[in-house]
Amino acid sequence: GNSVTQMEGPVTLSEEAFLTINCTYTATGYPSLFWYVQYPGEGLQLLLKATKADDKGSNKGFEATYRKETTSFHLEKGSVQVSDSAVYFCALRISDMRFGAGTRLTVKP
Amino acid sequence: DTGVSQNPRHKITKRGQNVTFRCDPISEHNRLYWYRQTLGQGPEFLTYFQNEAQLEKSRLLSDRFSAERPKGSFSTLEIQRTEQGDSAMYLCASSLGDEIYVNTEAFFGQGTRLTVV
Repeated sequence: GNSVTQMEGPVTLSEEAFLTINCTYTATGYPSLFWYVQYPGEGLQLLLKATKADDKGSNKGFEATYRKETTSFHLEKGSVQVSDSAVYFCALRISDMRFGAGTRLTVKP
Repeated sequence: DTGVSQNPRHKITKRGQNVTFRCDPISEHNRLYWYRQTLGQGPEFLTYFQNEAQLEKSRLLSDRFSAERPKGSFSTLEIQRTEQGDSAMYLCASSLGDEIYVNTEAFFGQGTRLTVV
């Protein structure tokens, strides 16, 4: 079936550090890929997406590239801020939408 | 449109009681999803609707759970004879669902937190 595997957390970084959160997927067909973010006390919201191979999604300094050859969609940010502390979920959609387990990021000043 | 709305936001119930949650999706969205999320986990797929038709139901979903979307607008999720293991956040999401919109994202509500005591 369709599924997503995320790097386990938690991840703790100092401000301005480089962030990578790994995500790989298994899917029949050609999924769209997403990163969602959940800030403390808030609901899930879309961070970025990519709809076909080699597409790069970007938002708020975060980037992820849809890699069909490695079935991956790793999230990166060059310089994290304290305000980026949240839980990040990788997801795929073919018909319905399936999520990874989430990676908690804590950024310390 | 204020987004996806879920009611109630919190529900505490005694074991064995039935509970019902409501979700109002974004008005033009014909696809509606229900997920369950427990602490430290990602949203676990329960079921989804295309308009009023329930297209898929998770094999993990007990027959104590039932969902409806009678007019293709709002949806209800009912849990019968609740158990302590049902305690979780229940999330509703909606999206455009026709083939041409297959690349679009789902929009989430704030969830209903269920506590079974």
